Amino acid sequence: EAQVTQNPRYLITVTGKKLTVTCSQNMNHEYMSWYRQDPGLGLRQIYYSMNVEVTDKGDVPEGYKVSRKEKRNFPLILESPSPNQTSLYFCASSLTPGGPYQPQHFGDGTRLSIL
Amino acid sequence: AQTVTQSQPEMSVQEAETVTLSCTYDTSESNYYLFWYKQPPSRQMILVIRQEAYKQQNATENRFSVNFQKAAKSFSLKISDSQLGDTAMYFCAFMKQGKFYFGSGTKLNVKP
Repeated sequence: EAQVTQNPRYLITVTGKKLTVTCSQNMNHEYMSWYRQDPGLGLRQIYYSMNVEVTDKGDVPEGYKVSRKEKRNFPLILESPSPNQTSLYFCASSLTPGGPYQPQHFGDGTRLSIL
Repeated sequence: AQTVTQSQPEMSVQEAETVTLSCTYDTSESNYYLFWYKQPPSRQMILVIRQEAYKQQNATENRFSVNFQKAAKSFSLKISDSQLGDTAMYFCAFMKQGKFYFGSGTKLNVKP
């Protein structure tokens, strides 16, 4: 089954404790992206990757890191989480961004709470 | 940076009726993509329809169609014959070279 898998699905942690949200896709997609969703703000892109070893900042990259060492994985790293990073996070992938018949496949989301 | 504005936080429509969701955006780019995504209560993000800015013809997908006005920077979504399963948050999105910008969303309630 074609899917984007995020882990964990839920996490409650404390300020300053480094955490990683993993994202893996099994569709051989070139493009991967991370978003955060907050009430009243819609989705905001954090980082995206057009291909292996190529990553670019989205609209809200501050406080986050990513890496794309292999095509299938695109982890999101919070080195020193703060309460304003409490949010619902989505990972997505597609063959190319916006291509015809190539919709972004989204993961099920990760609910992060930073106390 | 580009901005995407959805001015209708919430809308309601009777089952089988037609509803139009509004979206405007601000950009100086000439080539880009526009999308409508649906997020039902399950939280899954589902692509509804996409439009390439260089194409004048409005995109359609079954009951969903768009009114793309490039000069006005407007990209509205029309849902015909609304169904209960259309109840969801709808997000308008702009994309250029992999960088996405989403609107704040419109919550659509389809009433029986």
